[in-house]
Amino acid sequence: QSALTQPASVSGSPGQSITISCTGTSSDIGGYNYVSWYQQHPGKAPKVMIYDVIKRPSGVSNRFSGSKSDNTASLTISGLQAEDEADYYCASHTSSSTLIFGGGTKLTVL
Amino acid sequence: QLQLQQSGPGLVKPSETLSLTCTVSGGSITSSSYYWGWIRQPPGKGLEWIGCVYHTGGTYYNPSLRSRVTISVDTSKSQFSLELSSVTAADMAMYYCATIQLWFRSVDYWGQGTLVTVSS
Repeated sequence: QSALTQPASVSGSPGQSITISCTGTSSDIGGYNYVSWYQQHPGKAPKVMIYDVIKRPSGVSNRFSGSKSDNTASLTISGLQAEDEADYYCASHTSSSTLIFGGGTKLTVL
Repeated sequence: QLQLQQSGPGLVKPSETLSLTCTVSGGSITSSSYYWGWIRQPPGKGLEWIGCVYHTGGTYYNPSLRSRVTISVDTSKSQFSLELSSVTAADMAMYYCATIQLWFRSVDYWGQGTLVTVSS
């Protein structure tokens, strides 16, 4: 299975909003509302930020939001803060009953 | 609060079998809500799902690793395990055990990670 497609890097200034895209196919993102997003700081395990496309786990800031259109999912972070600088990964259920991740996006807060 | 504690060697010889175990505490391994899974991350690279097991023993594997992977569960010990055979340098990575919601909706809890080096 090929990884979902994410931009390698994005950047933004504090207070701004950024959006990270995640493109798949009708066999994964487009076929199910089971897209999740993970934040990973250096040397740490990933942390789930969004699941079921749009849901936030308890304790995750409402500055993080998710959406989906056709085969592309998106993560938007509003009011960027220095602590948001991290790697971000999307993931999706697939029609083969597997889990597939995106290649990851490095977010730099300028 | 569910916790996952990984154990197993951090050094494996080429062509041998990598074996890691994850012990579950703070929750039941027989929960109907989760798969018990393994995810790896080569140094400086992205995440790769290896596979997962349900408490009944049913398994799901990454097709690219299926021929070399076995994931099993021991409910009496609240543990699940990973075996990856015939390892090469390409298998060097941080290995995480994790809980995965049914339908692969979310990876909720992660172990501390084990850095596995493949070297003779």
